[in-house]
Amino acid sequence: AQSVTQLDSHVSVSEGTPVLLRCNYSSSYSPSLFWYVQHPNKGLQLLLKYTSAATLVKGINGFEAEFKKSETSFHLTKPSAHMSDAAEYFCVVSNTGFQKLVFGTGTRLLVSP
Amino acid sequence: DGGITQSPKYLFRKEGQNVTLSCEQNLNHDAMYWYRQDPGQGLRLIYYSQIVNDFQKGDIAEGYSVSREKKESFPLTVTSAQKNPTAFYLCASSTGAANTGELFFGEGSRLTVL
Repeated sequence: AQSVTQLDSHVSVSEGTPVLLRCNYSSSYSPSLFWYVQHPNKGLQLLLKYTSAATLVKGINGFEAEFKKSETSFHLTKPSAHMSDAAEYFCVVSNTGFQKLVFGTGTRLLVSP
Repeated sequence: DGGITQSPKYLFRKEGQNVTLSCEQNLNHDAMYWYRQDPGQGLRLIYYSQIVNDFQKGDIAEGYSVSREKKESFPLTVTSAQKNPTAFYLCASSTGAANTGELFFGEGSRLTVL
């Protein structure tokens, strides 16, 4: 069965510094991987997705993620944090069919001025 | 604007009462989903529907029921059999296969049992 592990429950950065949110996955097959963002009391929004094309995936709002099969990782990065990036981020894996999206437990990103 | 509308945004229920959460979409999507979110946990799938008049149980369906009489609507009933119903409930839709990962979410309904 597939699974994802988000290695940090909280990450704190200062505005203008880089962001790194870590995600490791486990999958028996070639996975599809996604990052979603959730602002407080809101629904989730797709940031980016990997579906076996380019290993470096660019998303919205300056975020990108790199698929590394050898490390089973799909870390999310951004060169320079903005206050509006403060939110919860979910790493998601899917490979076994229609309904089988598996969500990580989330990483809360805190951005200080 | 196209999107998913969930109502009510906040709901309080006494123990032993059933409550129904509404989810309506005007995206013309075939598939719809209900997820439950608890603090410190990822989203867990309650029910999903790929077409009208058909739906399947997700990972935590016990104590919940759904219907899909119209393409646009996928209401969720939280029954008195659900032992711990206090949570944030999210409805989502997609054009087809969920493993494309592109789910569109509503803004959620927060249910509190008093």
